[in-house]
Amino acid sequence: QVQLVQSGAEVKKPGASVRISCKASGYSFTSYYIHWLRQAPGQGPEWMGWIHPSDGSTRYAHRLQARVTMTRDTSTRTLDMELRGLTPEDTAVYFCARDQRAVILPAGPYNYFDPWGQGTLVTVSS
Amino acid sequence: DIQMTQSPSSLPASVGDRVTITCRASQDISTWLAWYQQKPEQAPKSLIHAASRLQSGVPSRFSGSGSGTDFTLTISNLQPEDFATYYCQHYHGYPLTFGGGTKVENK
Repeated sequence: QVQLVQSGAEVKKPGASVRISCKASGYSFTSYYIHWLRQAPGQGPEWMGWIHPSDGSTRYAHRLQARVTMTRDTSTRTLDMELRGLTPEDTAVYFCARDQRAVILPAGPYNYFDPWGQGTLVTVSS
Repeated sequence: DIQMTQSPSSLPASVGDRVTITCRASQDISTWLAWYQQKPEQAPKSLIHAASRLQSGVPSRFSGSGSGTDFTLTISNLQPEDFATYYCQHYHGYPLTFGGGTKVENK
């Protein structure tokens, strides 16, 4: 079955960077966009951006694009998301999620998320 | 950015009830609207896309409707496993945004 398994919880100081991994299995890795989202305590999810594993193309949310980088490793079927310049406002659970539809590039994503990874809690505190 | 507003934020209900959640977009999004269910300490689970298309495996008691700016998620015959928080999400351009959520709780 399709699975996205994320790395474990992180605690960071303000100003630091965090890197979260998402390992995909059970489907054609290079056929589906992967999105990253986050959810602050008590809030709805926030979309951060996507990456296409086939060519590494990315699109980031405008408000985060100066601080975020999404990469992939096709040999290990792993996606990484790095967020720099952390502040307490970045404290959230971070999710990877697969786009629902397989595409052949240069088609864009459908932008509907299914399934999601289990989430990674990132706590930013001095 | 398109703002998504859900109402109510909290919905007390009982098993067997028919419940309706509303989501309003700040501009016309056609039917580019999805619904997700989230239980405590879990990732969201997809329910509906294109405003009314049920995700495979989702029970038929869930249904969605609407187009333009006004949308609804209806759960007929509420089951114990349906107590959760529900989110709408638009995908009519970037950035993709979610509503603030509606918590369906036991009355």
